[in-house]
Amino acid sequence: GAVVSQHPSRVICKSGTSVKIECRSLDFQATTMFWYRQFPKKSLMLMATSNEGSKATYEQGVEKDKFLINHASLTLSTLTVTSAHPEDSSFYICSARFGSQDEQYFGPGTRLTVT
Amino acid sequence: AQKVTQAQTEISVVEKEDVTLDCVYETRDTTYYLFWYKQPPSGELVFLIRRNSFDEQNEISGRYSWNFQKSTSSFNFTITASQVVDSAVYFCALSGQGGSEKLVFGKGTKLTVNP
Repeated sequence: GAVVSQHPSRVICKSGTSVKIECRSLDFQATTMFWYRQFPKKSLMLMATSNEGSKATYEQGVEKDKFLINHASLTLSTLTVTSAHPEDSSFYICSARFGSQDEQYFGPGTRLTVT
Repeated sequence: AQKVTQAQTEISVVEKEDVTLDCVYETRDTTYYLFWYKQPPSGELVFLIRRNSFDEQNEISGRYSWNFQKSTSSFNFTITASQVVDSAVYFCALSGQGGSEKLVFGKGTKLTVNP
């Protein structure tokens, strides 16, 4: 299957700082990427959908100014958590797909801890 | 609105037992897709199966089998002769037309297989 990578796999940052998470499709061009968030022992919740070259579509309740998403190329999307707080600590997972009929391929996830 | 219910929060079995994980879904779409994913402790989502709403045939893949019943809006997953390596959280998910639209996940079932 297609390969999606995320970097970093783990990050610890101080409260008030910003952290960027990268999601890359390694062997295909991803026209759409999705960002999910998973709290400990909870399910995955979609945060936003990003299409290459256009603004991301955020789910209800997700602050777009806090979670900045950039999908500048067909192989890279980034999620920046701005002014991070301890409650932002979570497991962030991205997925990518080639076309509207295609499968979503998930990255390995990034565990963010804000101290 | 779409909804996925996994009523079993945690299941514990002894190795070699068969185990069934339940999944009930709600959707108004006539065309939709159902998925099962496995999430081991490492956190990475492992794709297990995708089934479209027009294909009610049961599927078997090795020790895994799936029972799709539209009449009861259920898509149950059975592991035969469970093994310790099957221990993980299993998520059932639903998407609308296209198969790769927004994925709605159930809350997951944590399966522990004891030796």
